[in-house]
Amino acid sequence: QQPVQSPQAVILREGEDAVINCSSSKALYSVHWYRQKHGEAPVFLMILLKGGEQKGHDKISASFNEKKQQSSLYLTASQLSYSGTYFCTSGGSNYKLTFGKGTLLTVNP
Amino acid sequence: DAGVTQSPTHLIKTRGQQVTLRCSPKSGHDTVSWYQQALGQGPQFIFQYYEEEERQRGNFPDRFSGHQFPNYSSELNVNALLLGDSALYLCASSDVGGGAYEQYFGPGTRLTVT
Repeated sequence: QQPVQSPQAVILREGEDAVINCSSSKALYSVHWYRQKHGEAPVFLMILLKGGEQKGHDKISASFNEKKQQSSLYLTASQLSYSGTYFCTSGGSNYKLTFGKGTLLTVNP
Repeated sequence: DAGVTQSPTHLIKTRGQQVTLRCSPKSGHDTVSWYQQALGQGPQFIFQYYEEEERQRGNFPDRFSGHQFPNYSSELNVNALLLGDSALYLCASSDVGGGAYEQYFGPGTRLTVT
């Protein structure tokens, strides 16, 4: 079952914050977040393995609520380089990643 | 440290032909997964190889097959190509044997079937 992401698209001005949500109707054993720029391969951002786990690097962080089967990605003080499509994946077995449809983030000057 | 590499970069084939795509994993990684990404969609899991065996498979027909070599590199073969097989094929590697599950993607092979 494909995880559901919201919003589908978001437009920001540089310096603004954004939240991307990911939910699944099936149990989530792990959540992986990727960013893909146009014409490039997805780039790994972070993996959350335990319910309640929160991670972050730079000004991008994420949380994982295992009970609610949800994860959220937080982008703070967005930069132009943050533009791209963000995907969450459900790693039910940690082997097969099922990607959501993605959230297109556009950061304008 | 070389990341995941794939070859070729682009490929144009005719319906009914067969194609082989290649992937070399990131140094130290033992597992290779293959994904198909259609335009405007997220990557779809094809299958994963670990210890030279197919460990898990997505909803793809038997026309899609693969192989992993002792040096962990991998091939994806697609037989009897259809127009709908046109897509970006991504290879991702991970260090499952080392307990790390994050997958690192290669640049992909753009396959066009005419």
